[in-house]
Amino acid sequence: AQKVTQAQTEISVVEKEDVTLDCVYETRDTTYYLFWYKQPPSGELVFLIRRNSFDEQNEISGRYSWNFQKSTSSFNFTITASQVVDSAVYFCALSLTSGTYKYIFGTGTRLKVLA
Amino acid sequence: DAGVTQSPTHLIKTRGQQVTLRCSPKSGHDTVSWYQQALGQGPQFIFQYYEEEERQRGNFPDRFSGHQFPNYSSELNVNALLLGDSALYLCASSLGSASLSNYGYTFGSGTRLTVV
Repeated sequence: AQKVTQAQTEISVVEKEDVTLDCVYETRDTTYYLFWYKQPPSGELVFLIRRNSFDEQNEISGRYSWNFQKSTSSFNFTITASQVVDSAVYFCALSLTSGTYKYIFGTGTRLKVLA
Repeated sequence: DAGVTQSPTHLIKTRGQQVTLRCSPKSGHDTVSWYQQALGQGPQFIFQYYEEEERQRGNFPDRFSGHQFPNYSSELNVNALLLGDSALYLCASSLGSASLSNYGYTFGSGTRLTVV
């Protein structure tokens, strides 16, 4: 069975601090995709990043960076110099490459950035 | 370019009633998926429609049914509503012929259903 765990329920930081959101996943499949989505108060899920299981190269995009480690089944997400507008619920999701079209979401981490 | 549109945005129903939620996919997308998000939880997959047929279904009872129209829009129907059906219902569209690796989903803002 597949599972995504986001152990951090809520994180509060002061503006300009760096913050890392943790994600641990479980799957027996060797090929899969991992995603991060942001859910602001308006409700829609906003796509942030997608990684496939063969691409462990970590990336930095502006204030965002990702750390994918297959050895520990982790896909962590870091926001550098956080801003109040980053306040939202962040979801990590897993999708397999065959036999299914669904995402398996974690329970989310609520990030509060205080001014 | 309009994204995914869902209606209504909020809805209050009484236990035992039936409800229909609507979704118009992003322009160019032909596949619609529905997710249920209970308060404080991550979205749970209900089902996906492609070429007007249910292509995959999650662990939801038969009270949950859907439909996709020739213009790719979709409806989610829930019969015999229970208090536990109260949730945010999200619609997501994608291109059915492409893998998730290429395109992923575009989500709507959801319909907030409250069952009293």
